[in-house]
Amino acid sequence: SQQGEEDPQALSIQEGENATMNCSYKTSINNLQWYRQNSGRGLVHLILIRSNEREKHSGRLRVTLDTSKKSSSLLITASRAADTASYFCATDDGGSQGNLIFGKGTKLSVKP
Amino acid sequence: DAMVIQNPRYQVTQFGKPVTLSCSQTLNHNVMYWYQQKSSQAPKLLFHYYDKDFNNEADTPDNFQSRRPNTSFCFLDIRSPGLGDAAMYLCATSRGVGTQYFGPGTRLTVL
Repeated sequence: SQQGEEDPQALSIQEGENATMNCSYKTSINNLQWYRQNSGRGLVHLILIRSNEREKHSGRLRVTLDTSKKSSSLLITASRAADTASYFCATDDGGSQGNLIFGKGTKLSVKP
Repeated sequence: DAMVIQNPRYQVTQFGKPVTLSCSQTLNHNVMYWYQQKSSQAPKLLFHYYDKDFNNEADTPDNFQSRRPNTSFCFLDIRSPGLGDAAMYLCATSRGVGTQYFGPGTRLTVL
């Protein structure tokens, strides 16, 4: 079953602008992850934020987590055409075997 | 480089003709997952192996089966593919809770 819901479903911006994607989920989590998927390819892990963390940075990526609102956001600063991809949030199912439940994704298009 | 490899990248089969997709890993991870991803949808977990233990998702059709002969390899068998099984099939590995490492996927077409 779907756990995460991304918002917006699609986002189109100009190169150099910032892109913000949001994710909401329903149940308690141990961690939340963001993945990127280029068209027709596999998923690439971007960042993992644990339930006791509120913010995490990795290069041009900034992720926030609000467990009280069951939501997370991914900010990509100074976007580039190469950032064009679909972005998925994923939450663990609370078990010990690492099963992830993915949201529907945000399709980001960065125009040069 | 350590990685997750899927073969073939593209597979075309006929309605009802069995097909096997392959995944191998050099990461020595103990967990291997198979996902199905249809166009513009989220990846959906079909099943996973935790070491040799097979774990099937409740809503995975019986038409889908998996084998893991050793730590490095895992196979997805589709016994009688239907048109609705056309999708991207993604293999992933992990050490358990945390980051999953994905292969490039196999795009399955059913004629």
